[in-house]
Amino acid sequence: EAQVTQNPRYLITVTGKKLTVTCSQNMNHEYMSWYRQDPGLGLRQIYYSMNVEVTDKGDVPEGYKVSRKEKRNFPLILESPSPNQTSLYFCASGTGTNTEAFFGQGTRLTVV
Amino acid sequence: SQKIEQNSEALNIQEGKTATLTCNYTNYSPAYLQWYRQDPGRGPVFLLLIRENEKEKRKERLKVTFDTTLKQSLFHITASQPADSATYLCALYSGAGSYQLTFGKGTKLSVIP
Repeated sequence: EAQVTQNPRYLITVTGKKLTVTCSQNMNHEYMSWYRQDPGLGLRQIYYSMNVEVTDKGDVPEGYKVSRKEKRNFPLILESPSPNQTSLYFCASGTGTNTEAFFGQGTRLTVV
Repeated sequence: SQKIEQNSEALNIQEGKTATLTCNYTNYSPAYLQWYRQDPGRGPVFLLLIRENEKEKRKERLKVTFDTTLKQSLFHITASQPADSATYLCALYSGAGSYQLTFGKGTKLSVIP
């Protein structure tokens, strides 16, 4: 089944403790992206990647890192999480520009 | 700066009626506009894509229009059902060849039986 898989689905962590949220897609998509979603602010793009080893900042990249060493994986790294990074995070993939995006099931992160 | 605005945060409609949602944008020159559905706590699901040279696109009970002069898209659900209750998002890429996909804040549709 074609899908975008994020792990974990739920995570509670403490301020400053490094964490990684994984994202994997099995559709051989070149394009992958991370979003966060907050009430009243909608979906905001954090980082995106056009292909292996090619990434770029979205609208809200501060406090996040990404890497794209393989086509199928696009992990999101929070080196020193803070409470304002408490949010619902989504990974997405697609075949390229101007095409539909496929979303993962989301990761609900709470930083205390 | 580029903006995508969905006029209503929430829309209540009686079952069987047609729901019409609006998406306006500024400082974009999009070749394509997309609509997604999102259920609470779940990822958005793609519904329709319309190209700038298409005035209208249909899929079952869904219809999308795209007016690049008005910089507006309308999303219609005919014969609405309670199962259509969800948040609907419009989305645009920042420009030709761009990989930066930006979403409006969405309109939460509630279809009342």
